[in-house]
Amino acid sequence: GESVGLHLPTLSVQEGDNSIINCAYSNSASDYFIWYKQESGKGPQFIIDIRSNMDKRQGQRVTVLLNKTVKHLSLQIAATQPGDSAVYFCAENGGNQGGKLIFGQGTELSVKP
Amino acid sequence: NAGVMQNPRHLVRRRGQEARLRCSPMKGHSHVYWYRQLPEEGLKFMVYLQKENIIDESGMPKERFSAEFPKEGPSILRIQQVVRGDSAAYFCASSSARGEQFFGPGTRLTVL
Repeated sequence: GESVGLHLPTLSVQEGDNSIINCAYSNSASDYFIWYKQESGKGPQFIIDIRSNMDKRQGQRVTVLLNKTVKHLSLQIAATQPGDSAVYFCAENGGNQGGKLIFGQGTELSVKP
Repeated sequence: NAGVMQNPRHLVRRRGQEARLRCSPMKGHSHVYWYRQLPEEGLKFMVYLQKENIIDESGMPKERFSAEFPKEGPSILRIQQVVRGDSAAYFCASSSARGEQFFGPGTRLTVL
C-alpha cells in the first residue's frame, strides 16, 4: 500500500548547526512532494515543495533534495535556530493532481541553544 | 487576507453525541480537504470537496462520518454518535485549483 515514512523520529541539534531530516516514500506515481512544519497546537505550515522533474530546490535557509531512484526525500535546514523546533512532515501526492496528500509520521526537531 | 478558519478550536462531546466541525477556506479557494491527526502521528486524509461536490472520500469511515461544502457557507465535517476513538485533531486545508494546500489551526475533539 501507499506509505510515506521518516527514518528518524527525533532529531536534536545545536543552534547554528545544519539539520537534515529524511523521508522515504513508496508510491512511484507520486510526482509532487511537500515539507510541512507543525508547531505544538498549530496546523501544518508549508515550508517547501518539489516536483518530480527536479532533484533539488532551495528556499530561504531550506533545501529539499529528491532522489527518485531510491524514493528518498530530505529537508536540509541551514543554521538551525530555536524557532525551527517543531515536528516536520513530508507529504506526497500519490499521483493525485490537486487531490489528497499522504503524510509521513513526522520527525521532531529539537534545537539546543 | 485571512487564512483558513476553523471552529471551534476545541470541542468536547460525550459518547453518542454529534460533533460538527466547521472550516472556512481562504478567500478565492474552492477546494477543501479534511485530515485527521491522532497524537504523535501524521495527518491522515479523510475527504476532498469542491463547492457542492465530494471529489474523493476514500479516507472517510464508512459510518457516522459525513462532509459537505455547500454553495454558501463553510465546509462541515459531521461525526454522529461519537466514540472515544474519534478523539483527535481535525485539520482542514484549502487550495485553489491544483495549488498548494493551506492548513487551518485545527479542531481538537475530545470524546468523554
